[in-house]
Amino acid sequence: QSALTQPASVSGSPGQSITISCTGTSSDVGTYNYVSWYQQHPGRAPKLMIYDVSKRPSGVSNRFSGSKSGNTASLTISGLQAEDEADYYCSSYTTSSTLVFGGGTKLTVL
Amino acid sequence: QVQLQESGPGLVKPSQTLSLTCTVSGGSINTMSYYWSWIRQPAGKGLEWIGRIYTRGSTNYNPSLKSRVTISADTSKNQFSLNLSSVTAADMAVYYCARLYCSSTSCYKDFWGQGTLVTVSS
Repeated sequence: QSALTQPASVSGSPGQSITISCTGTSSDVGTYNYVSWYQQHPGRAPKLMIYDVSKRPSGVSNRFSGSKSGNTASLTISGLQAEDEADYYCSSYTTSSTLVFGGGTKLTVL
Repeated sequence: QVQLQESGPGLVKPSQTLSLTCTVSGGSINTMSYYWSWIRQPAGKGLEWIGRIYTRGSTNYNPSLKSRVTISADTSKNQFSLNLSSVTAADMAVYYCARLYCSSTSCYKDFWGQGTLVTVSS
């Protein structure tokens, strides 16, 4: 299985909005609404931020939102804050009953 | 609150078998719709899904690792384990265990262990 495709890096200024894309295929993102997004700060374990394309776990800021169109899912962070600077990974269930991650995107808050 | 903790040797020799255990507290690993996963992350690189086990009867593995991976569970100890055979330097990584919730309408990893670094060296 191939990794989902994410941009290597994105950046934005405090208060702005950014969007990170996650492109898969009809064998994963395109078939299931089981896309999740994880935030990872250096030296820390990943943290679930969005699941099932657009749902937020309890405790996650409503500045984080998710969507999907066809084979591409997206994570949007609005009102950027310094603490949002981290790596972000998407993940999807696949038609082979496996899971796959994206390559990761480094978010820099300028 | 569910907690997961990885344990095992931090150093493995090339060609040997890497063995790690994840101890789960705050919930039973034998719960419907919960799967138990292993994920790894080489230094400076992205996350790679290794596989999952459902204690009620199934395992699934990353096709690229399938020939070398075995995931098993001990429900009496509320633990699950990873065995990765014939390791090379490419297997050096931080290894995470995680809880995966999957149903007919939802699928996501919600709780993660802190991770354990495994070095491959003679």
